[in-house]
Amino acid sequence: SQQGEEDPQALSIQEGENATMNCSYKTSINNLQWYRQNSGRGLVHLILIRSNEREKHSGRLRVTLDTSKKSSSLLITASRAADTASYFCATDARGTSYGKLTFGQGTILTVHP
Amino acid sequence: ETGVTQTPRHLVMGMTNKKSLKCEQHLGHNAMYWYKQSAKKPLELMFVYSLEERVENNSVPSRFSPECPNSSHLFLHLHTLQPEDSALYLCASSLSYYTGSDTQYFGPGTRLTVL
Repeated sequence: SQQGEEDPQALSIQEGENATMNCSYKTSINNLQWYRQNSGRGLVHLILIRSNEREKHSGRLRVTLDTSKKSSSLLITASRAADTASYFCATDARGTSYGKLTFGQGTILTVHP
Repeated sequence: ETGVTQTPRHLVMGMTNKKSLKCEQHLGHNAMYWYKQSAKKPLELMFVYSLEERVENNSVPSRFSPECPNSSHLFLHLHTLQPEDSALYLCASSLSYYTGSDTQYFGPGTRLTVL
């Protein structure tokens, strides 16, 4: 079964608005990461949040983690056209120290100028 | 630039061809990964190498053959592929596979089309 699932599958907003993407997962984790992918390119790491953290910030990004609900959200504030991309969450699995990540299907974000 | 390069960026091949994808990382990492990204599917982990030793093989058909001659280079040899193998193939590296949850650095990918 898929470990990470993002919601919504697609999100379309205007420049300046905030964008919120959600990720749900099934098994207990050590960490959750968010990655961004511009069309047809490789993934770029955005932020990592550990299972004992509830919130983390990086520039215009805010990530929350609720381990009781097995869910995370990524908030991009004051979005820009350059934020247009696909966003993926990736989880490892608690109990392993291996770097094996499972990725969700992603949220496609379109920011209109 | 993430420090991970992939060549070629685009590849078109027939089902009877043999070709190779190349990945190189300039980050001093010990772990390297091959992923397959198909339309409408999550990223699929194919192989993992740690210090040139294969540590993961996720039930990948034998027509895909990885090779890791040193910790900086990773190859994916392709032979007798099927049209459903058309996808974006991504290489990634991380500091270590065994410390868990290191950030992975991805190359730009090779867009493969099998005719």
